[in-house]
Amino acid sequence: VLTQSPGTLSLSPGERATLSCRASQTVSNNYLAWYQQRPGQAPRLVIYGASSRATGIPVRFGGRGSGTDFTLTISRLEPEDFAVYFCQQYGTSPWTFGQGTKVEI
Amino acid sequence: QVQLQESGPRLVKSSQTLSLTCTVSGGSISSGGYYWSWIRQHPTKGLEWIGYIFYSGSSNYNPSLKSRITISVDTSKNQFSLNVNSVTVADTAVYYCARGWWGYYDAWGQGTLVTVSS
Repeated sequence: VLTQSPGTLSLSPGERATLSCRASQTVSNNYLAWYQQRPGQAPRLVIYGASSRATGIPVRFGGRGSGTDFTLTISRLEPEDFAVYFCQQYGTSPWTFGQGTKVEI
Repeated sequence: QVQLQESGPRLVKSSQTLSLTCTVSGGSISSGGYYWSWIRQHPTKGLEWIGYIFYSGSSNYNPSLKSRITISVDTSKNQFSLNVNSVTVADTAVYYCARGWWGYYDAWGQGTLVTVSS
């Protein structure tokens, strides 16, 4: 089970966002991904392997962590970053997602 | 750049079978190593991994759904499909097809809302 916190993060453009994803057991090989989902859109890959940015993702997005505790940081929020973020573990089948953190203005 | 597109009935009656097809363009489904997958999202809720299939036909399903689902692939049409049997209103969701690499998903379809009516 992946537990994300907080459920909602209320911030302003330019501020720093820190999102947490905690696993109930060790994520094998740190196979942890983060996705961004804007309203009405499909999820978009942001981070894979806990810390690698996906193609086209700005450097303000950073992932870190290992074992059971992972963090997604957005250094300076841009208007387009306000969305829901999900973590996903793909180290153990069945692959599972967290319930999401909404980053709102 | 690979693109995926879901198609199929938007409304299914309870106890019947939900069938969706994902058409892949901009790349071959036979390219090795990709997990051609289905993921669903219940209204206002999180994401649920349904399962995947390789171009070879090898597949893996979520145990919570395994008894009711089948994922198949048609390499000649560059498509893969999902069948969910004996649906209930709890199967109402947005269904996404997606391309996985090592288990993370780098390409998604736009999603299709399937409603199960009682």
